[in-house]
Amino acid sequence: EDQVTQSPEALRLQEGESSSLNCSYTVSGLRGLFWYRQDPGKGPEFLFTLYSAGEEKEKERLKATLTKKESFLHITAPKPEDSATYLCAVPGGGSNYKLTFGKGTLLTVNP
Amino acid sequence: KAGVTQTPRYLIKTRGQQVTLSCSPISGHRSVSWYQQTPGQGLQFLFEYFSETQRNKGNFPGRFSGRQFSNSRSEMNVSTLELGDSALYLCASSLAGQGWDTQYFGPGTRLTVL
Repeated sequence: EDQVTQSPEALRLQEGESSSLNCSYTVSGLRGLFWYRQDPGKGPEFLFTLYSAGEEKEKERLKATLTKKESFLHITAPKPEDSATYLCAVPGGGSNYKLTFGKGTLLTVNP
Repeated sequence: KAGVTQTPRYLIKTRGQQVTLSCSPISGHRSVSWYQQTPGQGLQFLFEYFSETQRNKGNFPGRFSGRQFSNSRSEMNVSTLELGDSALYLCASSLAGQGWDTQYFGPGTRLTVL
């Protein structure tokens, strides 16, 4: 069964203090890994898709990387508006069309 | 392009009642998935539809059902509501429903069961 584990569960940073979030996964035949951002009471907002080990993608202060066993979301010089829950997910293998999500990392950036 | 829309945004029901939630996918998207999100379990997959056919179902009781119409709009129904059904119900759409397609989420329907 596909499994996704995110760490830490919660992270508090000062504005400008860079850090990384971790997403480790167990899936047969990785077909992609997705990162989403979710604000309270809203639906997840798509950030990145990574398809193969070694791939990196960037968007503003966020950079996502992928290895064969885990993915990192690096946050450089975060701002208070980056505060949110960050979720990673992997699609199932074969004819399984669902996404398996991790529990998320709640990021709080203090001014 | 308009995003995924869900109606209603909020619902309050009592135990034993039934509820129907609606989802309109992004124009051109043919796959619609439903997820339940709770603080304890996180996001859990309910089912996925493509061209009016349910292709996958998660580990939820038969009280949870859904359907998709020819215009790709989808509905999910929960019968005989229980307190534990209180959750944020999220709908997501993707272009062709392949495993690697990006799923775009709607704002969700917050269901409270009293």
